Amino acid sequence: QSVLTQPPSASGTPGQTVIISCSGSSSNIGSNNVYWYQQLPGTAPKLVISRNNQRPSGVPDRFSGSKSGTSASLAISGPRSEDEADYYCATWDDSLSGWVFGGGTRLTVL
Amino acid sequence: QITLKESGPTLVKPTQTLTLTCTFSGFSLSTSGEGVGWIRQPPGKALEWLAIIYWDDEKRYSPSLKSRLTITKDNSKNQVVLTMTNMDPVDTARYYCAHSYAGLDPWGQGTLVTVSS
Repeated sequence: QSVLTQPPSASGTPGQTVIISCSGSSSNIGSNNVYWYQQLPGTAPKLVISRNNQRPSGVPDRFSGSKSGTSASLAISGPRSEDEADYYCATWDDSLSGWVFGGGTRLTVL
Repeated sequence: QITLKESGPTLVKPTQTLTLTCTFSGFSLSTSGEGVGWIRQPPGKALEWLAIIYWDDEKRYSPSLKSRLTITKDNSKNQVVLTMTNMDPVDTARYYCAHSYAGLDPWGQGTLVTVSS
């Protein structure tokens, strides 16, 4: 069981905004930056959101992140078929003194 | 440009010790703030963080695996080595190393390790 809680699946059409949630606690999300990773089938995870809401160079602006208290969210506005992937949230946990990940959310674009 | 690549055996027997090497370029592990972490992913399952080592040789381990893991670095070779003792079939996974500064980014391509007799 993962320390961070994500829904196992999410779906949406290109005309919608899909939001993926990530729930944690005061020792992880509540006190550290959250990072979001995209894992396309058969590939290594790729950072799409850094430090809660920063988009690395090259990441489309349809990806955005936010954090409030002990929860964080990844929003994908107008998802495309190439966005179909598994998405993971991650952060540092002060109690465990290590990185923790969510269980992953599989995005399907309808 | 930062790149990382994992290397090691693809098959190990139960009870054996696994040794993986992460060879990187584009940064120095002797520079303040830099680190390299290891993460694994069993087939069809989620990511699991294993260990991390920093420029000052500070090390952190997953509490659940701490007794089995050792992480070291060789600045002259730009390499980080992870050893995991007493391997079990449940340790079958793709093992990734990743650069750590602002998050874990980027990641290597990973190396698949199968534990089987």
